[in-house]
Amino acid sequence: DTGVSQNPRHKITKRGQNVTFRCDPISEHNRLYWYRQTLGQGPEFLTYFQNEAQLEKSRLLSDRFSAERPKGSFSTLEIQRTEQGDSAMYLCASSLVQPSYNEQFFGPGTRLTVL
Amino acid sequence: AQTVTQSQPEMSVQEAETVTLSCTYDTSESDYYLFWYKQPPSRQMILVIRQEAYKQQNATENRFSVNFQKAAKSFSLKISDSQLGDAAMYFCAHVAGSYQLTFGKGTKLSVIP
Repeated sequence: DTGVSQNPRHKITKRGQNVTFRCDPISEHNRLYWYRQTLGQGPEFLTYFQNEAQLEKSRLLSDRFSAERPKGSFSTLEIQRTEQGDSAMYLCASSLVQPSYNEQFFGPGTRLTVL
Repeated sequence: AQTVTQSQPEMSVQEAETVTLSCTYDTSESDYYLFWYKQPPSRQMILVIRQEAYKQQNATENRFSVNFQKAAKSFSLKISDSQLGDAAMYFCAHVAGSYQLTFGKGTKLSVIP
């Protein structure tokens, strides 16, 4: 296993279009996280899954955002009706559940540019 | 709510010298973890070092060490014998309870040959 992978690495879209990103976690990891990183800022938490269950969502995750993790494996993050303010790097991370805290391993990110 | 503050947007260090990056945090939790992550240009974020709040001993990983001052809520990173490959953005992060990481804004470290 080569770590967390994300596709696509770059996405350019026009305002109002829908986009979908994919994250493949490390295979034995049952927790999966999405973060958003804008220029000059640290990553901000969006949501996380334990297996297929979405357990927590940030207030940053507006109604235009939806995330899924069918079968507890890969995850998708969809943004509908994109806005210029959605331009950012979208990072995925995965971890084990036990012991009490496990390192989150990050993917390379998907850079979204909304024109 | 947890907050993490990194007051140094940019730092530079001569190769082979030592540099310290600062971080302060605020939390109401008694059980938490602190981290330093490294994000090289166009590459993925990797964990440099972690500190459990209940441990009094400062964490050390090879050339990287921390100065954890729990009462002052301070968590600085010291990089000894700096190398060109240490050039990157460094993020201080905190986690408690819900496992979502809270990051600072980062410090861009440049290493001068």
